[in-house]
Amino acid sequence: DGGITQSPKYLFRKEGQNVTLSCEQNLNHDAMYWYRQDPGQGLRLIYYSQIVNDFQKGDIAEGYSVSREKKESFPLTVTSAQKNPTAFYLCASSARGAGELFFGEGSRLTVL
Amino acid sequence: QQPVQSPQAVILREGEDAVINCSSSKALYSVHWYRQKHGEAPVFLMILLKGGEQKGHDKISASFNEKKQQSSLYLTASQLSYSGTYFCGTEGRNYGQNFVFGPGTRLSVLP
Repeated sequence: DGGITQSPKYLFRKEGQNVTLSCEQNLNHDAMYWYRQDPGQGLRLIYYSQIVNDFQKGDIAEGYSVSREKKESFPLTVTSAQKNPTAFYLCASSARGAGELFFGEGSRLTVL
Repeated sequence: QQPVQSPQAVILREGEDAVINCSSSKALYSVHWYRQKHGEAPVFLMILLKGGEQKGHDKISASFNEKKQQSSLYLTASQLSYSGTYFCGTEGRNYGQNFVFGPGTRLSVLP
């Protein structure tokens, strides 16, 4: 079945450590996105990529980094520079053009 | 850049109707609507592309006024399963612009 897989689902890290969240899709979509969601809040765009080897910052990119070396994969690294990294992270993908966004199940990161 | 949604929250009795509004300050190419249940990923409801376009999905429909950069989601004869947070997402006119979501409208349907 086609879809988006995020891992891990839950992650606990100590303050000051970098963590990488995985996002893989087998939908053959060109565009991929990372969103952050805080309790009771909407989805805020961190980074997005319209094509392999290219990505742009969203509204809250500071403290995060991404790569897009393969069409299927768009990993997000939460660096130690991110002041408040505890949140629910959602990865999404869409076909080129105004296509619906398909979401992964999310990764819940807790920094202790 | 983030679209504005209203109201922030609404409580309904089963069978009642509701309207959720979404507006943007930038020219839009498309508007999407999603529903998210607590602790789950958002689920796609519909996408609107053209000015004045309306779409329907069961008893949920939406309109998109391209000139006013506004969209509305209409929930008719609401069911308990409609409870959740509704997000509008907007895509700018220029290809390659990012896709951003509104802050969400929390809908609670009571028996």
